[in-house]
Amino acid sequence: EVQLVESGGGLVQPDWSRRLSCVASGFTFGDYAMHWVRQAPGKGLEWVSGISWNSGITGYADSVKGRFTISRENAKNSLYLQMSSLRAEDTALYYCVKGSGMTYYYYHMDVWGKGTTVTVS
Amino acid sequence: QSALTQPASVSGSPGQSITISCTATSSDVGDYVYVSWYQQHPGRAPKLMIYDVSKRPSGVSNRFSGSKSVSTASLTISGLQGEDEADYYCSSYTSTASWVFGGGTKLTVL
Repeated sequence: EVQLVESGGGLVQPDWSRRLSCVASGFTFGDYAMHWVRQAPGKGLEWVSGISWNSGITGYADSVKGRFTISRENAKNSLYLQMSSLRAEDTALYYCVKGSGMTYYYYHMDVWGKGTTVTVS
Repeated sequence: QSALTQPASVSGSPGQSITISCTATSSDVGDYVYVSWYQQHPGRAPKLMIYDVSKRPSGVSNRFSGSKSVSTASLTISGLQGEDEADYYCSSYTSTASWVFGGGTKLTVL
């Protein structure tokens, strides 16, 4: 069974930094792209960032470009999101999401973790 | 404002069919062939229901189907059941190397 378990969320002050982690199991992590998607309280889904299978290509939403950095360690089946210069509007539940192909573009997102909550206040 | 527009809410009675639309309002979604649909129950993570406009993952009921006409994708749920009550989101890849979600549609089963 594919499982994605996020961690690292919590309460953080504005302008501070935080790193989220996601540990994957149940599939060959290094063969697939990965994403971070967030959901503000009571709001819809927002794609945050994606990374290809070998970290060669990354992409970011305009709202986080220059502040967030996505990375992965295939040997540890782990995905990360380094968030800096955090703002109140970054408050959300952050989901780790598996891509269905090697690149984060074109291939849909198929399996979602349960998320980790970041509160900026 | 999202490049994908969905109705805020739809409703239907058990056994009926409903359709949720997702209209591309930006040329960034290109030919609009990378459309997916996700179901989200309250307090739960989203679940993939349809991908590439009309393909259904294994394990998803065949009561769920997807289609597209020009710039509007649609999710149809037939034989509506109480467990279908949830929020539904469409998603598409864009030409700006990013993904976009629609604002979401709340489905109420009367």
